[in-house]
Amino acid sequence: DIQMTQTTSSLSGSLGDRVTISCRASQDISNYLNWYQQKPDGTVKLLIYYTSRLHSGVPSRFSGSGSGTDYSLIISNLEQEDIATYFCQQGNMLPRTFGGGTKLEIK
Amino acid sequence: EVQLQQSGTALARPGASVKMSCKVSGYSFTSYWMHWVKQRPGQGLEWIGTIYPGNSDTTYNQKFKGKAKLTAVTSASTVYMELSSLTNEDSAVYYCATGTPYYFDYWGQGTTLTVSS
Repeated sequence: DIQMTQTTSSLSGSLGDRVTISCRASQDISNYLNWYQQKPDGTVKLLIYYTSRLHSGVPSRFSGSGSGTDYSLIISNLEQEDIATYFCQQGNMLPRTFGGGTKLEIK
Repeated sequence: EVQLQQSGTALARPGASVKMSCKVSGYSFTSYWMHWVKQRPGQGLEWIGTIYPGNSDTTYNQKFKGKAKLTAVTSASTVYMELSSLTNEDSAVYYCATGTPYYFDYWGQGTTLTVSS
């Protein structure tokens, strides 16, 4: 199975900050990398698919980049509603696998 | 509006089976894959498997073969997951999520399963 690693388990930023959340795959996943947001109440939403494509309705302050094994989710102009845990997921090989998550808090 | 409505909290005994549901609305039920994902308390997410309601084609994570069974009833726009031979390790929140084979567009609210004697 492809292992997805989010080395930062928690992260804090101030309102208006730009924050970057990283994700590393155990092998090349050819840009089949997706990002999800899980709110404290458990609600999960797709933010970014195929590395950098913004899902419908997602604010443009979210963006993604990367290639090969290393990927990033960037949140610019951090807002209170961005408090959540963020998971990466690879869609290149079965079984689909997720990173362990990065919990984002506001300072 | 795409909506995935999952069945409510479930309580089951060790060794028993449980069947949970995910009813969809707002899109063509037979045109998208439905995935199931497990999340244990304080843990990350695990992909269990997927079903294509258009032809009931299923793919499972090897880890969950024999544990989970996915079915779809097109007339009810509902997908079911049955978990068998339950143990404490099966206590978790289970999400259904629709999408492509590669990513999951829309998620249900989750079903909490507690396995306890």
